Amino acid sequence: QKEVEQDPGPLSVPEGAIVSLNCTYSNSAFQYFMWYRQYSRKGPELLMYTYSSGNKEDGRFTAQVDKSSKYISLFIRDSQPSDSATYLCATNAGGTSYGKLTFGQGTILTVHP
Amino acid sequence: DAGVTQSPTHLIKTRGQQVTLRCSPKSGHDTVSWYQQALGQGPQFIFQYYEEEERQRGNFPDRFSGHQFPNYSSELNVNALLLGDSALYLCASSPETGGLEQYFGPGTRLTVT
Repeated sequence: QKEVEQDPGPLSVPEGAIVSLNCTYSNSAFQYFMWYRQYSRKGPELLMYTYSSGNKEDGRFTAQVDKSSKYISLFIRDSQPSDSATYLCATNAGGTSYGKLTFGQGTILTVHP
Repeated sequence: DAGVTQSPTHLIKTRGQQVTLRCSPKSGHDTVSWYQQALGQGPQFIFQYYEEEERQRGNFPDRFSGHQFPNYSSELNVNALLLGDSALYLCASSPETGGLEQYFGPGTRLTVT
């Protein structure tokens, strides 16, 4: 079993839709949670990171963490065709593993006009 | 402000050969991490360098080695290449004080034939 599970999709939505992307993790030591966006043939771009359970909002993006159920989500409001990319969740245990990010497989998102 | 840069962009090697990939971190960053991303998968942590030393290592064989120079740039070396080493190799940099925020370069696409 992978430490971080993410549905690879693909997910296709119409422009303007609310998108929900999700990951689950198994290691209760994970304390930090990140979302990256990766366009085709590019490196991942950090969108958001959070530490505690709850919500964190940045523009059209909201990251949600539920440590009790080991579930993390990214919501995209008013989705745009430019949001079409692969979205990767990542976790970090902190402590001696501070530098190591553990990624999910990535979800391929297409927003069509 | 230049972001993380990597070279070469792509290369093709033959099984059994050796390869060296290079990375220059984002200005102001002193920590460099390397990841391997197979097609359709999330990045997997190889190792992290700080103060010219390997600080943390993922589950990769000793064929994978690295180096960090006094100017914080880094190299990833892979010996005795296998077909399974074909992947996108990503370099990420972070400031020591904000190690969670890793900024990725565009990657080097390695094909082993």
